[in-house]
Amino acid sequence: DAKTTQPPSMDCAEGRAANLPCNHSTISGNEYVYWYRQIHSQGPQYIIHGLKNNETNEMASLIITEDRKSSTLILPHATLRDTAVYYCIVRVAGNSGGSNYKLTFGKGTLLTVNP
Amino acid sequence: DAGVIQSPRHEVTEMGQEVTLRCKPISGHNSLFWYRQTMMRGLELLIYFNNNVPIDDSGMPEDRFSAKMPNASFSTLKIQPSEPRDSAVYFCANPDRGNHSGANVLTFGAGSRLTVL
Repeated sequence: DAKTTQPPSMDCAEGRAANLPCNHSTISGNEYVYWYRQIHSQGPQYIIHGLKNNETNEMASLIITEDRKSSTLILPHATLRDTAVYYCIVRVAGNSGGSNYKLTFGKGTLLTVNP
Repeated sequence: DAGVIQSPRHEVTEMGQEVTLRCKPISGHNSLFWYRQTMMRGLELLIYFNNNVPIDDSGMPEDRFSAKMPNASFSTLKIQPSEPRDSAVYFCANPDRGNHSGANVLTFGAGSRLTVL
């Protein structure tokens, strides 16, 4: 799986958009970009994923550059409850077999949302 | 669905004691993952099962660690004997078959925090 690079920490004001960058310059054509987050004392939680198109769901938006070498997770209106470590992971998606769900976590970005 | 359920949530034990961590995965799934999280090493995959069979245990630190999945409803991670360096949060995870546009998504339990004195 391709390696990712994220800033170790970021701050954001409550109510503002939080933009979390991720570099994945060695991503392969069949690898997806996944984002998870881990709130203190909880297990990691899936947020969103994408291949090459921008994606949006009820939690966040994912912007992937045209060359797919980087992406940005956007939390449009950050709240205090969004304070967490955010992990960007790239890996192949598949339809069967446990190995297709195997995730390798880096250090992530600690996002602190301030009142 | 109650999600992935882990027990105990917290365990404090003394060095040399046996520790057993338990996981009840989401019903109907036949893959299960055990992760360990420490400040120094972050989240590490220890072992994963598919169809109740261990597929990759290369992340298991040493012979003191063992994991079983006797059926699709239950898994255990055992440490015997435990050592202070085993202190960590241990997570169990399952594939999430919800509507994620074909993505391979894992649902994690709340974790078991182990402290070995």
